[in-house]
Amino acid sequence: DAGVIQSPRHEVTEMGQEVTLRCKPISGHDYLFWYRQTMMRGLELLIYFNNNVPIDDSGMPEDRFSAKMPNASFSTLKIQPSEPRDSAVYFCASTPGGTSGGDMETQYFGPGTRLLVL
Amino acid sequence: AQSVAQPEDQVNVAEGNPLTVKCTYSVSGNPYLFWYVQYPNRGLQFLLKYITGDNLVKGSYGFEAEFNKSQTSFHLKKPSALVSDSALYFCAVRKIGSQGNLIFGKGTKLSVKP
Repeated sequence: DAGVIQSPRHEVTEMGQEVTLRCKPISGHDYLFWYRQTMMRGLELLIYFNNNVPIDDSGMPEDRFSAKMPNASFSTLKIQPSEPRDSAVYFCASTPGGTSGGDMETQYFGPGTRLLVL
Repeated sequence: AQSVAQPEDQVNVAEGNPLTVKCTYSVSGNPYLFWYVQYPNRGLQFLLKYITGDNLVKGSYGFEAEFNKSQTSFHLKKPSALVSDSALYFCAVRKIGSQGNLIFGKGTKLSVKP
């Protein structure tokens, strides 16, 4: 298995531009998580999905952030408009969940997208 | 409220010496506890977990952790540190009533010197 795939790996954009981050979870995993990591705030959970349905989006900073999961193999995190304070590393993770068998509790992380907003 | 604390921002160890990275938790009921490691410019990798059973849990790369219910701790240990163990280590606890949803500590940077 290729693991969790994220793209792009690096993104540099200017303030006000729209940014779209992409994630492909491990095949068969029921849960998908989006995290943000900064030096100041550490690792923050933004939102997570179960079977493509958003379960908890209380960590999404504000309305400029949105996330979708149109199918079991793809999710996006969009920032519109972007601001310099959004600069961070964004991680996607997935976990099998109860219906898929296997280890329900272990999260598998992608390599992250390093975002810099100028 | 559920939480996990890593009291040390950084731990420095000489290669070959034993290492300990500390973690304490606050959760009602039986906790599910995890350790993850993050190498530079990489995502987090699962090391080990405690769900139930033996209090001493063995994981990847020679790491182990001991669950101590009375002290509400889950310290990560390794008998002999390697320079390649240098990384950021995260302790996490599963959020009660929320399958798969983990609460992460702030992380501890481990530095192993030759």
